[in-house]
Amino acid sequence: AQSVSQHNHHVILSEAASLELGCNYSYGGTVNLFWYVQYPGQHLQLLLKYFSGDPLVKGIKGFEAEFIKSKFSFNLRKPSVQWSDTAEYFCAVAHNTGKLIFGQGTTLQVKP
Amino acid sequence: DAMVIQNPRYQVTQFGKPVTLSCSQTLNHNVMYWYQQKSSQAPKLLFHYYDKDFNNEADTPDNFQSRRPNTSFCFLDIRSPGLGDAAMYLCATRKTGGTNEQFFGPGTRLTVL
Repeated sequence: AQSVSQHNHHVILSEAASLELGCNYSYGGTVNLFWYVQYPGQHLQLLLKYFSGDPLVKGIKGFEAEFIKSKFSFNLRKPSVQWSDTAEYFCAVAHNTGKLIFGQGTTLQVKP
Repeated sequence: DAMVIQNPRYQVTQFGKPVTLSCSQTLNHNVMYWYQQKSSQAPKLLFHYYDKDFNNEADTPDNFQSRRPNTSFCFLDIRSPGLGDAAMYLCATRKTGGTNEQFFGPGTRLTVL
């Protein structure tokens, strides 16, 4: 069965620290990859997505992610986090049926 | 702007009292999804409509039903809400033939008293 694994469940950083959240998926076919963010009390918002082409994808708010096919990974990065980045982050994979499979989420807490 | 709209944003119901959540979309997408998201958990797919075809997830309780009277609207009916059904309910849409991106609505937070 297809699955998505996010390695870090809870990350605590100070402002200006660099961020990398891991995401690995298990599916051998063509995939579309997403990172969603959910700020406290708010709904899911799309941060960035990968469908094809350049494996380094840039999203909103300074986030980027790199698709490494050989490692089945799609890690999220930001060079310098802000307090306002405190949120829950979900990696998701869509395969050819269109069904989205979410990782379990990573809670990011940024200390001012 | 084309979008996915969910009403109401907050819904309070009593234990065992039927409740209906609404989703509408102006994107003209042919696939619509309902997810349940509990606190600090990933969204869990309940079911989806592919055009008029209803597709239930194997582990979705019978207590949850859905209706899609037309392309734009989709309803989630909870026949007898239990305390464990308190959650955020998310509607999403997708258009087949393109990318597999799903567009999410703002969600309805359900409280069961």
